[in-house]
Amino acid sequence: EDQVTQSPEALRLQEGESSSLNCSYTVSGLRGLFWYRQDPGKGPEFLFTLYSAGEEKEKERLKATLTKKESFLHITAPKPEDSATYLCAVRRSNDYKLSFGAGTTVTVRA
Amino acid sequence: DSGVTQTPKHLITATGQRVTLRCSPRSGDLSVYWYQQSLDQGLQFLIQYYNGEERAKGNILERFSAQQFPDLHSELNLSSLELGDSALYFCASSGPTSNEQFFGPGTRLTVL
Repeated sequence: EDQVTQSPEALRLQEGESSSLNCSYTVSGLRGLFWYRQDPGKGPEFLFTLYSAGEEKEKERLKATLTKKESFLHITAPKPEDSATYLCAVRRSNDYKLSFGAGTTVTVRA
Repeated sequence: DSGVTQTPKHLITATGQRVTLRCSPRSGDLSVYWYQQSLDQGLQFLIQYYNGEERAKGNILERFSAQQFPDLHSELNLSSLELGDSALYFCASSGPTSNEQFFGPGTRLTVL
């Protein structure tokens, strides 16, 4: 069975204090690894898809990287509006569903 | 705004009742997925439909069922509701050649 473990569970940052979130995964035949952002009571918002080890994607202050066993989401110089729960999910090659981690809740203080 | 719509936003009902949640996918998307998000279980896949046909099933209870209609909107039916069914229910959609799933705003179900 697919396993997705995110750490830490919660992260409190000062505005401008860069940090990284970790997503470790075990999946047979990775089709893609996905990062989503979720605000309280809202639906997950798609951020990135990564397909193979070594791949990197960037969007504003966020950068996602992928290795064979884990993915990192780097937040550079975060702002209070980056406060959210960040979810990692994997999709197996012979399947369509996404298997999600429990998420990392990021709080950025001004 | 992802382009996926869900109604209603909130639903409060009693144990033993039956409810229907509705989802309209993004224009052009043929796949619809249903997920349940509870505090203790996180986001869990329930079921997927592709162009009207059931394609994949997750840990969906027998009390739950879904369908996708010719206009591609989907409904999730939950019956004999229990307190533990209280959760956020999300619908997502994806295109025919796309891996990304785009989520709707969700329906918050409260069973009293």
